[in-house]
Formats: sequence, structure tokens, C-alpha cells
Amino acid sequence: DAGVIQSPRHEVTEMGQEVTLRCKPISGHDYLFWYRQTMMRGLELLIYFNNNVPIDDSGMPEDRFSAKMPNASFSTLKIQPSEPRDSAVYFCASTTGVGNYGYTFGSGTRLTVV
Amino acid sequence: AQSVTQLGSHVSVSEGALVLLRCNYSSSVPPYLFWYVQYPNQGLQLLLKYTSAATLVKGINGFEAEFKKSETSFHLTKPSAHMSDAAEYFCAVTPSYNTDKLIFGTGTRLQVFP
Repeated sequence: DAGVIQSPRHEVTEMGQEVTLRCKPISGHDYLFWYRQTMMRGLELLIYFNNNVPIDDSGMPEDRFSAKMPNASFSTLKIQPSEPRDSAVYFCASTTGVGNYGYTFGSGTRLTVV
Repeated sequence: AQSVTQLGSHVSVSEGALVLLRCNYSSSVPPYLFWYVQYPNQGLQLLLKYTSAATLVKGINGFEAEFKKSETSFHLTKPSAHMSDAAEYFCAVTPSYNTDKLIFGTGTRLQVFP
């Protein structure tokens, strides 16, 4: 099992550009979560999916952020247009249910918007 | 709303000394409590979880945590610190039984000195 796979590992982009972060969950996991980590705000849950359907997107900061899960093996988090304050590490995590064994996290994407 | 508080953003211990990282939950007994560890430039890894089956929970790498309802606490301990334990540790809680999302604490950075 390769675990949760995120790409790219690092992304540097200019303000105003569109950024797309990608995540492949563990096969068989029907929950997928997107978190953002910053020094100031810690780990924030942005959105999560169950069986490819968004369940809770209350953490999505604003309309510039959108997330999709077109199938069970792929999800994207898009920021358009990007701003310097979006600079953070974005984590994807998956699980079969939080009560089973919590989440398995990916290695994250470090986004820098200049 | 359910949340967790981690007392002490930084903890320093000598190698071989007891490690104690503090976590308190906010209100009623949560369904699940977790401790995660994050090494530099990596995602979070599950250390252990509490699911009401036992109040003393043993995890990986010699860590354990004790759930104390009277103190609303779930502190993480390890009898003897090792240099490789240096990392950031996060306590997390599931807010209710009808959700699979995790709310994370602000984290405690553990330093281990030789």
C-alpha cells in the first residue's frame, strides 16, 4: 500500500495564478479530508468527502477555494486566484471511518504564493 | 463545540527522562480521542487512539495515554525519551458520534537534549 499520495510536494506560484493540488487516497477508504496547516492557525479542516460526495465544506475559507472528488481514487483542491495568505502546507487524509483507526495522512503539499 | 487544548507549545526533556504532553478536551466525553506525531516535512502519523474500550491506551514507539474523565484529560506519556522522539505532537478529538471529522489541538513541539 503506497499510502495517501499528494502532488506536487512543493508549489511556488505567483499571486493571481490558479493552483491545483492533487490527492490519491488509500484504496478502499471512503472518506477523504483536506486540511491546511499554518503557524498561525494550526491544522484547519477545509472540506471532507464521503463516497465522493462533499459532506462538510464549512472550513473552506472563501469562494476562491474549491474541491472536487470525481471518483474514489482522486481529489483536487483548487485555488483561483491564489493570494500570498494562501501560503501553507495542505494535507490530504483518508480513512474508512474515524473510529476505526483515525486518518492516514499524505506527506502534504507546501504552497508558496509570491 | 468540542475542542482540545494542548498546554505548552514547547516541551524540552533530556534523553532518558519522562515525557509528558498535556491534552484536555472541552466538554462531554468525546467519542474518540487521538494523538498524532509529525516529524519535520512529513504528514501526521497516528500514535494511539481512545475509543472508550480502555482508559489506558498504548501506542507505537513506547507512548501511552490515559483517559481521565474527572480531569477531562488525555495526556501522552513515555517513560524514557529518545532523541528520535523529537517532533510535534497533536491531540485530536471527534466532536460527536455523527461525524468523522477530527478537530486538532495547536500542537506541542518536543525537544530532546542529549
